[in-house]
Amino acid sequence: AIRMTQSPSSFSASTGDRVTITCRASQGISSYLAWYQQKPGKAPKLLIYAASTLQSGVPSRFSGSGSGTDFTLTISCLQSEDFATYYCQQYYSYPITFGQGTRLEIK
Amino acid sequence: QVQLQESGPGLVKPSETLSLTCTVSGYSISSGYYWGWIRQPPGKGLEWIGSIYHSGSTYYNPSLKSRVTISVDTSKNQFSLKLSSVTAADTAVYYCARLRGAKNWFDPWGQGTLVTVSS
Repeated sequence: AIRMTQSPSSFSASTGDRVTITCRASQGISSYLAWYQQKPGKAPKLLIYAASTLQSGVPSRFSGSGSGTDFTLTISCLQSEDFATYYCQQYYSYPITFGQGTRLEIK
Repeated sequence: QVQLQESGPGLVKPSETLSLTCTVSGYSISSGYYWGWIRQPPGKGLEWIGSIYHSGSTYYNPSLKSRVTISVDTSKNQFSLKLSSVTAADTAVYYCARLRGAKNWFDPWGQGTLVTVSS
């Protein structure tokens, strides 16, 4: 199985900050990567697929990049509603696997 | 728009079989797409369980394959999950979701249902 490792596991930031979350795959996955946002007690919400394609309705302050083994999710100007846990997911091969999550907290 | 809703018992005894159903509204399962199950133990990350096509073709996570069965009922626009011989480690929120293809991203998701394994 392809292992997805996110960093950091958690960190604190302030509204207005630019933040970057990293996801690394244990082997190359081309651009077969998605990002999700999950708030407490809620289902994950798709933000980005194909590594960099923004899902319809997702604010443009979210962006994704990368290919192969290294990927990033960037939030250009943090808003209060962005404090949540973020997961990456590879769909290059079975089994589909997720990163362990990055918890973004208010500083 | 497409909506998914999980249903089933919230409490299952150890060694028994967990059974959940996902009801899809706003889209006919027979029209295409894949449909999947994902779980999340309390305070932990996400684990893909398996996926199914409307024809009945299935893909399972090898870590659970020996205990999992996913089926589809197109007449009811539902798909179901059965997980046998459950233990406390199977306690989790179980989500159903749609996939764009056999190997794909998940969107949308159901709200999730907590299943606790306990005697």
